[in-house]
Amino acid sequence: GQNIDQPTEMTATEGAIVQINCTYQTSGFNGLFWYQQHAGEAPTFLSYNVLDGLEEKGRFSSFLSRSKGYSYLLLKELQMKDSASYLCAVRDLNNQGGKLIFGQGTELSVKP
Amino acid sequence: DVKVTQSSRYLVKRTGEKVFLECVQDMDHENMFWYRQDPGLGLRLIYFSYDVKMKEKGDIPEGYSVSREKKERFSLILESASTNQTSMYLCASSLLENTQYFGPGTRLTVL
Repeated sequence: GQNIDQPTEMTATEGAIVQINCTYQTSGFNGLFWYQQHAGEAPTFLSYNVLDGLEEKGRFSSFLSRSKGYSYLLLKELQMKDSASYLCAVRDLNNQGGKLIFGQGTELSVKP
Repeated sequence: DVKVTQSSRYLVKRTGEKVFLECVQDMDHENMFWYRQDPGLGLRLIYFSYDVKMKEKGDIPEGYSVSREKKERFSLILESASTNQTSMYLCASSLLENTQYFGPGTRLTVL
């Protein structure tokens, strides 16, 4: 079957570092996406991993381990505007030819 | 920049009404998607389309239909709206199997 797990909520302090984890179980893994979604707005694309390792993009980094079915999103130098929901999504080739399966999202609150 | 637009940000309809949600993308993307997003359930795929006139059922197609007469436009239709269809509806598009880009969403309330 297909399953994606991520924590429901996290709280962190402005200026700190936070790591949001995502574990998945799919039979035809073909890539993992992270999206950011502010309240009442559409998800916006943050990162994509298909090979093992770390992808860095400014203050945001995403890591993937395919053998462990595990990814994390690392946010550095947290800012108040980083308060949002972070969605992990996996592309599964055995799911209707590669449609995305989304986790429920992690609600991150950044406090001063 | 990719731009995906949706016809309404907020919509209020009555039970039994026929509802049309429109989505337009300006990047010549082949693939278009309709999702609904509900608290605790995440994003769930309703329908998607690989090309003009083509449509495929997603995970929760019941109570919905779609239309793709032009490449840039993908419409979601609620034939007879019900209260359990109150939700946030998100449209997305992608170039083949690449990153999906989302529209701003339509928050639909069915009374």
